[in-house]
Amino acid sequence: ETGVTQTPRHLVMGMTNKKSLKCEQHLGHNAMYWYKQSAKKPLELMFVYNFKEQTENNSVPSRFSPECPNSSHLFLHLHTLQPEDSALYLCASSQESAGAYNEQFFGPGTRLTVL
Amino acid sequence: AQSVTQLDSQVPVFEEAPVELRCNYSSSVSVYLFWYVQYPNQGLQLLLKYLSGSTLVESINGFEAEFNKSQTSFHLRKPSVHISDTAEYFCAVSDYGGATNKLIFGTGTLLAVQP
Repeated sequence: ETGVTQTPRHLVMGMTNKKSLKCEQHLGHNAMYWYKQSAKKPLELMFVYNFKEQTENNSVPSRFSPECPNSSHLFLHLHTLQPEDSALYLCASSQESAGAYNEQFFGPGTRLTVL
Repeated sequence: AQSVTQLDSQVPVFEEAPVELRCNYSSSVSVYLFWYVQYPNQGLQLLLKYLSGSTLVESINGFEAEFNKSQTSFHLRKPSVHISDTAEYFCAVSDYGGATNKLIFGTGTLLAVQP
């Protein structure tokens, strides 16, 4: 595997389910990000982790719970979601989170549908 | 707060014709500017970036963008498009030397190349 991978690619869940999204980067980076991409809206940064520490939480509802056990893996735990949470969730990584010289590399995303 | 405006949600163009995708930003500090491309069912890929130096930057597949500070613009151009250029293009801006590598994205422009 190369680059940034995300599983599953598609997920359909009910509002009472609990599921997790997984992201793995094979680039040796130290920073990882979760973004939400909804139709006709700009990409929304949700969380940032740098060296496994959360450095940014962009006022995300608590029904989204991130976890970063190491610099290569990032999870997004989902519970009691709402239909408006349906979107494409993108993971990205960069060398580190400080400084704008660090290019962010994106995974293919998980298409989430909440029924 | 920084923001990015992509006025055109969709740009239809015939193959081999020139195209310009517009991007304007607002920022009170020095900025770094990026264009990302998203092909169907894929994540975002960096197309080109302006960090400093020459205001004209080029990608390997024939796109170019010019940073215009006075007009706060970073328009993307290609003199002759191909069918394979059909994708969504996102303009993004990041803080200069910020503590977190936050990218602020526009809403995207769908480039639809027709034969």
